[in-house]
Amino acid sequence: AQSVSQHNHHVILSEAASLELGCNYSYGGTVNLFWYVQYPGQHLQLLLKYFSGDPLVKGIKGFEAEFIKSKFSFNLRKPSVQWSDTAEYFCAVGSSNFNKFYFGSGTKLNVKP
Amino acid sequence: DVKVTQSSRYLVKRTGEKVFLECVQDMDHENMFWYRQDPGLGLRLIYFSYDVKMKEKGDIPEGYSVSREKKERFSLILESASTNQTSMYLCASSLRGLGFNYGYTFGSGTRLTVV
Repeated sequence: AQSVSQHNHHVILSEAASLELGCNYSYGGTVNLFWYVQYPGQHLQLLLKYFSGDPLVKGIKGFEAEFIKSKFSFNLRKPSVQWSDTAEYFCAVGSSNFNKFYFGSGTKLNVKP
Repeated sequence: DVKVTQSSRYLVKRTGEKVFLECVQDMDHENMFWYRQDPGLGLRLIYFSYDVKMKEKGDIPEGYSVSREKKERFSLILESASTNQTSMYLCASSLRGLGFNYGYTFGSGTRLTVV
């Protein structure tokens, strides 16, 4: 099975701080990369995705992620977080070769107002 | 918008009971998936299906089975519920082929407690 690593399990930031959440994966072939967000009590929602083209991907709510193929990484960033960004964030990797996604263990972000 | 509907938000069942979790999607997606979500473990794939009557084991299929008799419906069955199956269960669906690039759509989840 493929593996997806999210190294930060719990991150606590103050509002306006910058955010970077790490994601590394193990598959060496062509991949589709995703970040999902789960706000408290809500279902998982797609934040952004990459499957080709510009490795810097912009998503909703000011989030972006950069695909670095040589590092097998897809880190999520936001220049200035808000209290409403408090949520759990999941990185996911998929490929047409296995037609399913593998998820990281998630990172809980707690933004202090 | 694609909707993935899970029939129950919360369930409490007794050890040894047979439990059915239902999932219905309304956008003609070929692929459907069942995951369980546990703190610190992320999402782990139980079973998935590419088409009607087709099923594939995921990473943790033990103690579970599935049924897909119609394209829009994918059921997860706990043959004999045990306390270690207490978890949040998530259903998801996606297109196949190039549509797979668009990712999954998730249901709201069923929180199952086995006592």
